[in-house]
Amino acid sequence: DSGVTQTPKHLITATGQRVTLRCSPRSGDLSVYWYQQSLDQGLQFLIQYYNGEERAKGNILERFSAQQFPDLHSELNLSSLELGDSALYFCASSVGLDFRETQYFGPGTRLLVL
Amino acid sequence: AQSVTQLDSHVSVSEGTPVLLRCNYSSSYSPSLFWYVQHPNKGLQLLLKYTSAATLVKGINGFEAEFKKSETSFHLTKPSAHMSDAAEYFCGSQGNLIFGKGTKLSVKP
Repeated sequence: DSGVTQTPKHLITATGQRVTLRCSPRSGDLSVYWYQQSLDQGLQFLIQYYNGEERAKGNILERFSAQQFPDLHSELNLSSLELGDSALYFCASSVGLDFRETQYFGPGTRLLVL
Repeated sequence: AQSVTQLDSHVSVSEGTPVLLRCNYSSSYSPSLFWYVQHPNKGLQLLLKYTSAATLVKGINGFEAEFKKSETSFHLTKPSAHMSDAAEYFCGSQGNLIFGKGTKLSVKP
């Protein structure tokens, strides 16, 4: 168990809808990262937050957004969902903001868009 | 830009035989590389990472990787495979959080 929790485990929704994925980092970790894992694109870094502020962006679509709250949990919002957004979404956390620090991954949220 | 290529999408070995998972990188500067493992229905777990302190990096569960600049490689090895090693393995770049496509390791009894 990495200490990172993600809810929900599974999510089924329809095209055009909006969903919110939630992540709680390990105790003491200030950075949260979001990743998307799909068969087509593999594992892709989406975005990083550190202590409430956005720090780095990867291949995140404009339809997607994230935030990190004062208690350090983070939410990833996916809107105007398309079939191609079906994927496993991971969050990870680390102590600081350096990419080279060890990241601890949650179990993921599996999103299915019908 | 730094990128990584995992040369095999699937590797199958027998239990007790050596494991070799290949990863090549391209970088115009000294890279920072890692290997993660993903067991079925689980998140990723760090196996090891290259920090330039030593070219041979030892990780968890008996895995190690050797950084070879002349070959631009960072292959993952283990002397003797165990059934519990069956998983997907990802090589990647720490500098820009780029992951390879993954290598699925199967271990036959």
